[in-house]
Amino acid sequence: DVKVTQSSRYLVKRTGEKVFLECVQDMDHENMFWYRQDPGLGLRLIYFSYDVKMKEKGDIPEGYSVSREKKERFSLILESASTNQTSMYLCASSLAGKLITGELFFGEGSRLTVL
Amino acid sequence: AQKITQTQPGMFVQEKEAVTLDCTYDTSDQSYGLFWYKQPSSGEMIFLIYQGSYDEQNATEGRYSLNFQKARKSANLVISASQLGDSAMYFCAMRGHTGTASKLTFGTGTRLQVTL
Repeated sequence: DVKVTQSSRYLVKRTGEKVFLECVQDMDHENMFWYRQDPGLGLRLIYFSYDVKMKEKGDIPEGYSVSREKKERFSLILESASTNQTSMYLCASSLAGKLITGELFFGEGSRLTVL
Repeated sequence: AQKITQTQPGMFVQEKEAVTLDCTYDTSDQSYGLFWYKQPSSGEMIFLIYQGSYDEQNATEGRYSLNFQKARKSANLVISASQLGDSAMYFCAMRGHTGTASKLTFGTGTRLQVTL
């Protein structure tokens, strides 16, 4: 069964802390994504990666960075967490070959609260 | 740029009835794909159905069908014979062919509540 695993379902951090959100997929997918989900705003793309060590900014990259050292792992980093980064974070992956048709496979989400 | 609009923040439907969730999109791409996802309260995103812009027939998957009207740029999801387990958030999304083709653009979602 295909699987995208996010390391933490719930996190509580303090303002200014450095936060790592980890995502691992076991499907050998080339593409990986980090989305942020907020009520009334839907899912917004933060960053994505189409290959190891490659990354591109999404629609809302400010305040975030990412790391992809291995194909199966994609990390989202909040260098200095702020309260407006309190949100649900969703990791996803997809095959590179299916340019139009391939769906995204999602993890269960990480709900981050920044106090 | 691509844009997805879901104008229904919330919907109610009685069990066993059919319901239509609206989705309109905007893109300048000639080739694109449209997706619907379901998100139960547990949080995971479940892929439901896909429609390609050049597909001549509307997509169907079990109780889900996609009412695709290309000229109107709409891709409404129809759920037939609603079940209590259909209560969830539903997101419409699209992927175009220009730029980096892999990412999906999502709408704001519709929360569906199925009642007895």
